[in-house]
Amino acid sequence: AQSVTQPDIHITVSEGASLELRCNYSYGATPYLFWYVQSPGQGLQLLLKYFSGDTLVQGIKGFEAEFKRSQSSFNLRKPSVHWSDAAEYFCAVGARGGGFKTIFGAGTRLFVKA
Amino acid sequence: GAGVSQSPSNKVTEKGKDVELRCDPISGHTALYWYRQRLGQGLEFLIYFQGNSAPDKSGLPSDRFSAERTGESVSTLTIQRTQQEDSAVYLCASSWRLAGSTDTQYFGPGTRLTVL
Repeated sequence: AQSVTQPDIHITVSEGASLELRCNYSYGATPYLFWYVQSPGQGLQLLLKYFSGDTLVQGIKGFEAEFKRSQSSFNLRKPSVHWSDAAEYFCAVGARGGGFKTIFGAGTRLFVKA
Repeated sequence: GAGVSQSPSNKVTEKGKDVELRCDPISGHTALYWYRQRLGQGLEFLIYFQGNSAPDKSGLPSDRFSAERTGESVSTLTIQRTQQEDSAVYLCASSWRLAGSTDTQYFGPGTRLTVL
């Protein structure tokens, strides 16, 4: 069965520092992988997604993620965090081949300190 | 429409009452999804629609939950005889086609349900 693990419930980084949010998945084949952000009072917004090809994926707001098959990971990174990046981040996995379920991780809350 | 909309944004109800949550997807999107997000937790998949059909209802937590979609547009999620454990944010999303394709799901702002 598909599953997604986000090991860090919350992370605090200083503004301007680099960020890495961890995501590990369990799936029998290469899945579709997503990162979403949920800002306070706002809906979920897609940051980036991986389906195939280049394992380093660029997204919006300066985020990127790298798919590592050997580690079953899809970690999200940003070189320099801005205060507006404070939000909840969700990693998700979707089934290929006509499956319909997207399974979300429990989320990592990012706090940014000045 | 410009985005996925949901109503009401907040709903407070007494235990045992029925509630109806509404989702208006993006115009032209054939796939629609319902999720539940309990406080401090990730999203729990409930049900999806392809057109007006919901082929798999196994994600619904109990038989108190039901959903329908009409005209390949609006969907309603109904919870009968609400319980306190139903308190959560209910999120709706839509996509051009089914998830499992490469299409992005667009989420609405959610309905926050509180059962007293």
